[in-house]
Amino acid sequence: EDQVTQSPEALRLQEGESSSLNCSYTVSGLRGLFWYRQDPGKGPEFLFTLYSAGEEKEKERLKATLTKKESFLHITAPKPEDSATYLCAVLGSGTYKYIFGTGTRLKVLA
Amino acid sequence: DTGVSQDPRHKITKRGQNVTFRCDPISEHNRLYWYRQTLGQGPEFLTYFQNEAQLEKSRLLSDRFSAERPKGSFSTLEIQRTEQGDSAMYLCASSLYLRDEQFFGPGTRLTVL
Repeated sequence: EDQVTQSPEALRLQEGESSSLNCSYTVSGLRGLFWYRQDPGKGPEFLFTLYSAGEEKEKERLKATLTKKESFLHITAPKPEDSATYLCAVLGSGTYKYIFGTGTRLKVLA
Repeated sequence: DTGVSQDPRHKITKRGQNVTFRCDPISEHNRLYWYRQTLGQGPEFLTYFQNEAQLEKSRLLSDRFSAERPKGSFSTLEIQRTEQGDSAMYLCASSLYLRDEQFFGPGTRLTVL
């Protein structure tokens, strides 16, 4: 069964303190791995799509990487406005059913 | 605003009542998805439409749930005989054909008393 596990569940960082969020997955034929940001009471906001091991994507202070078993979301010199829940999702082959993890709640302190 | 819109944003109902939610996707997106999200969890897939065709439906979805997309544009999600366990945020997302990244609406928060 396709599964996504995110760690840690929650993370508190000081402003400027870089860190990484982990997304481990098992899926039948990975078609894509996706990262989203979700603010309280809002829908998820798309960040990145990764398709194959070794692929990397960057956007401002965020960088996503992918291996055959996991993905990392690296946050460099975070700011308080980066505080949110970061969700990882996978899509396997032959389906339109995206499987989401439970997310990592990030809090960046000024 | 050209994003995904959902209506209503909040719905409070009594157990046993029927409720219907509406989703208007981004205009050129022909793929539409419904999800349910409870506190502390990620979105849970409910169903997928490509144009007006419902191509995939979660096995977890009970017969009380039904979704339609009659003209391939907006979609509705109906829950019949609501139960307290149906209390959740119901999210709609859309995407372009042959593109996998989804764009989510703000959600409809359902509270069943």
